[in-house]
Amino acid sequence: SQQGEEDPQALSIQEGENATMNCSYKTSINNLQWYRQNSGRGLVHLILIRSNEREKHSGRLRVTLDTSKKSSSLLITASRAADTASYFCAPVLDTGRRALTFGSGTRLQVQP
Amino acid sequence: DAGVIQSPRHEVTEMGQEVTLRCKPISGHDYLFWYRQTMMRGLELLIYFNNNVPIDDSGMPEDRFSAKMPNASFSTLKIQPSEPRDSAVYFCASSLAFGQRNSPLHFGNGTRLTVT
Repeated sequence: SQQGEEDPQALSIQEGENATMNCSYKTSINNLQWYRQNSGRGLVHLILIRSNEREKHSGRLRVTLDTSKKSSSLLITASRAADTASYFCAPVLDTGRRALTFGSGTRLQVQP
Repeated sequence: DAGVIQSPRHEVTEMGQEVTLRCKPISGHDYLFWYRQTMMRGLELLIYFNNNVPIDDSGMPEDRFSAKMPNASFSTLKIQPSEPRDSAVYFCASSLAFGQRNSPLHFGNGTRLTVT
């Protein structure tokens, strides 16, 4: 399967805490992308990490990639109520089918 | 930039009726994707186009589903006849040079379809 699998399925934290979500995949990738989906809206691209990168930062987001373990993690630091959403990872294959496919996501609830 | 525009936002129809969902991608984008999202099956890729040409329609569930892209600024997803199990949120997304640069996808806000 091309899609990534997010873990945990659901996560509830208090405002100000850090949130960590994990993604595992099965194939060789060119890059991996993370998306956020707020309730009733379409997905929004957050960050892309290439296969030759190990870590990437964007504001309060930190993404890591371990290609030997075929896994990635998304860390949101100092979470806010507005971070409440579902988060999806999407591995992009190195060869073959290049379209993005998505797993079930992690539903993050940040309590104010 | 107005983003990806989908219409209608909500559609309620009776079983057996034809349903047409519409999408206007971001100007200049050459890739267009149709996805379907349900609680049971998550987000499924149905079909995608490159330069208006369908590249992969292996996700289209049945012959009742068809998609077209007559020009670079418009695409439709048609279901005929519709069935209750087609009830879902249908998303359209576009991207610039996705196949070459793995550019991110830009999603519309979806069409919520209810078939009774």
